[in-house]
Amino acid sequence: ETGVTQTPRHLVMGMTNKKSLKCEQHLGHNAMYWYKQSAKKPLELMFVYNFKEQTENNSVPSRFSPECPNSSHLFLHLHTLQPEDSALYLCASSQGSMGGQGGDTQYFGPGTRLTVL
Amino acid sequence: AQKVTQAQTEISVVEKEDVTLDCVYETRDTTYYLFWYKQPPSGELVFLIRRNSFDEQNEISGRYSWNFQKSTSSFNFTITASQVVDSAVYFCALSDSGTYKYIFGTGTRLKVLA
Repeated sequence: ETGVTQTPRHLVMGMTNKKSLKCEQHLGHNAMYWYKQSAKKPLELMFVYNFKEQTENNSVPSRFSPECPNSSHLFLHLHTLQPEDSALYLCASSQGSMGGQGGDTQYFGPGTRLTVL
Repeated sequence: AQKVTQAQTEISVVEKEDVTLDCVYETRDTTYYLFWYKQPPSGELVFLIRRNSFDEQNEISGRYSWNFQKSTSSFNFTITASQVVDSAVYFCALSDSGTYKYIFGTGTRLKVLA
């Protein structure tokens, strides 16, 4: 595997289900990101992890719970979602740095298309 | 405040035409980074270019070229001799130094007709 992979690619879930999205990067990066892309809306940054520490939570509802066990893996745990949470969820990674200098190039995975019924 | 504006929502061109996608940004920082990404129907955002605020040289990569003008806060993207495979949504993004956050524009959908 190369680059950034995401599983599953498609997910349909009911409002009472619990599911998880998985992201894995094979680029040796230290920063990972979750984005939400809804129809007719700009890409929304949800969470940022740098060296496994969460550095950004963009006022995301608690029904979305991220987990970053190591620099290569990022999960998004989903529970009691709403239909308006249906969207494309994109994971990205970048080099990252301890100093948090920013300006990194982010590399994206193919996304998980989530439908909440 | 940071902002990225892609005023063109959708552009349609006929194959082999040249097309320019506009991007205007706002930031108060003197050090910042600009990016272009391509999102084909498959969904993945494909990185095209990164430019820092101190490098105003135009860049050409094959049929792609970028025109960065700080005086007008613009970072426009031109595709020469467009092809059907260029059909996608193109996003411009801004990142200030000291943050990993990108501010994305709303994207421009490009349709290249055979």
